[in-house]
Parts: sequence; structure tokens; C-alpha cells
Amino acid sequence: EIVLTQSPATLSLSPGERATLSCRASQSVSHYLAWYQQRPGQAPRLLIYEASSRATGVPARFSGSGSGTDFTLTISSLEPEDFAVYYCQQRATWPLTFGGGTKVEIK
Amino acid sequence: EVQLVESGGGFIPPGGSLRLSCAASGFTVSSSSLSWVRQAPGKGLEWVSHIYGGDFPTYGDSVKGRFTISRDDSKNTLYLQMNSLRAEDTAVYYCAKEVGGGFHYMDVWGKGTTVTVSS
Repeated sequence: EIVLTQSPATLSLSPGERATLSCRASQSVSHYLAWYQQRPGQAPRLLIYEASSRATGVPARFSGSGSGTDFTLTISSLEPEDFAVYYCQQRATWPLTFGGGTKVEIK
Repeated sequence: EVQLVESGGGFIPPGGSLRLSCAASGFTVSSSSLSWVRQAPGKGLEWVSHIYGGDFPTYGDSVKGRFTISRDDSKNTLYLQMNSLRAEDTAVYYCAKEVGGGFHYMDVWGKGTTVTVSS
């Protein structure tokens, strides 16, 4: 099973600041990685797939990069609605696995 | 509009069984890749099971041999039969439609149904 490790666990930032979230895989997943956003009490929402492709309707301030074992989700300028928990997920091998999540909170 | 609505959750003692349903609209389950994903209270996401067409379903190690995924094409509904339930199965269970083309990313999610396993 591929283990995804996300860091930091919590990111405290102010609106307008840049957020950089990391996801590291225990073995190469090529570019087969996605990012999700989950707001409190809501289901997850797909943001990025195949490491760097934005899902339909996702604002351009969200971008993904990386390949192999190291991936980054960047939010260029935080909006109030972006304070949430973010998860990465790999599809390179079964079972599909998720990272433990990064909470982006208001500083 | 593409939509998924889960039902069937509840309070069940350890060792019991429960069947979750996920009614789909706006697309056909028979031609779609679908997954169940769960989230224990205050925890992260855990993929549970996947089904697509006539392919063999796949399962996470923690539920293999206890859970069975299936669908009823005539009702356009996905199911998760859960047997031999344990306390650690307590979670919100989401059904999700995967992105087309075999990408195995979930782009449409239901609101979830809560399963509580406790004596």
C-alpha cells in the first residue's frame, strides 16, 4: 500500500497570503495524484487531478505540481472560503489511498 | 444535474450487518466507475471499495471479506453490504462517482450517511 504523508498538519495563514501544502508518497506514483478540499460538514471536492490539472469550476488560484514522490498544492492568495482541510489521493496502485490531510486555518 | 444520495446508515451493534444505498441521478451507474469512501469521526478519508462495469470489484484491506459492493442498474443505485461490523467501521460513508476514463478520482460526491457501530 502506498502511504501519503501530508505536511504540515496545520497551516495558519491570513486571507490574501499564499499557501503551500505538501504531499509525499512512500513510492513513486508518477503523476497519478489528486487534491481535494473539505469544508466542515461537507463532502470533499475535487480540486486537482493528475497532479496539475484543475477540475471543472476550480478557481485559477489553485495549482498543483510535482511528480514521482513529491507533490505540492499552492493557493496563490487565500480567500475566506479556502480555509478548510485538504487531502491528497493517489491512483497509481490499488488500494487507492489518501493522505492524512492539512488543515488551513485563519491566523 | 449529476447527483448521489446515500441512505441506510444507522446504529448497529458489533457483529451486525447493514446495507447502504446510493441513488444516482443525471448519469447511469452501469457505465460509470463508482467508489465508497468513509471518514471516521474527526479523522481523514479512507477509500473502501470500487466498482466498474463487469470488472471485479476492489476493496480496501480493512473491509475485504466483510463488505460487498454491488449495483442495481434498473434502479440506478449503488450498494454497500457491510457484514461483521466492528467499532472501527464507525464513520460517515460517502458514495462517489469517479472521473471518466479510468482515472479513479472522485468528482461527484453524495452528502454521506452515518454508520455507528456500538453496543
